[in-house]
Amino acid sequence: GAVVSQHPSWVICKSGTSVKIECRSLDFQATTMFWYRQFPKQSLMLMATSNEGSKATYEQGVEKDKFLINHASLTLSTLTVTSAHPEDSSFYICSGQAFTNEKLFFGSGTQLSVL
Amino acid sequence: GQQLNQSPQSMFIQEGEDVSMNCTSSSIFNTWLWYKQDPGEGPVLLIALYKAGELTSNGRLTAQFGITRKDSFLNISASIPSDVGIYFCAGSKTSYDKVIFGPGTSLSVIP
Repeated sequence: GAVVSQHPSWVICKSGTSVKIECRSLDFQATTMFWYRQFPKQSLMLMATSNEGSKATYEQGVEKDKFLINHASLTLSTLTVTSAHPEDSSFYICSGQAFTNEKLFFGSGTQLSVL
Repeated sequence: GQQLNQSPQSMFIQEGEDVSMNCTSSSIFNTWLWYKQDPGEGPVLLIALYKAGELTSNGRLTAQFGITRKDSFLNISASIPSDVGIYFCAGSKTSYDKVIFGPGTSLSVIP
């Protein structure tokens, strides 16, 4: 299957700092990138959908000013958690999709711990 | 909103046994996807289904797109320890809808 590279794998930061997570599609062009959040023993919760060159569409309850998403190219999307707080600690996963209704290919996830 | 249900929620089986899990929805879906997630990793795509009645295999895994388009099942034959993980079904109703995920089935294999 197609490969999505996500890094960092884990990050520990102080409360109030910002953290950037990168996702790159290595062998396909990801027209759409999705960002998910996952709490322990729970399913994936979609946070936002971004199409290359457009503003991201955020799910209800997700603060767009707190979770900044950039999808400037067909192979790179970033999620920046601004002014992180302990309640933002979670596992964040990206996925890329080449075309609508096509399979999603996931990155390996980023475990964020905010102290 | 749209919701997928998966059953069982968790299962403990002996190595070598066959496993069956399913995913249901109250709405019609036109795509079903099955993923496996290991702890601390992102989900890995196992099987994708695009047509009602479609039966697709990937090694020891077999998945079917239900005729009613409201369900799908995943079978694993002759389970091995590395099958341990959480299995998610996912689907989309139309070509323009986002993919939603079920709550997952946790599989434990006892050697």
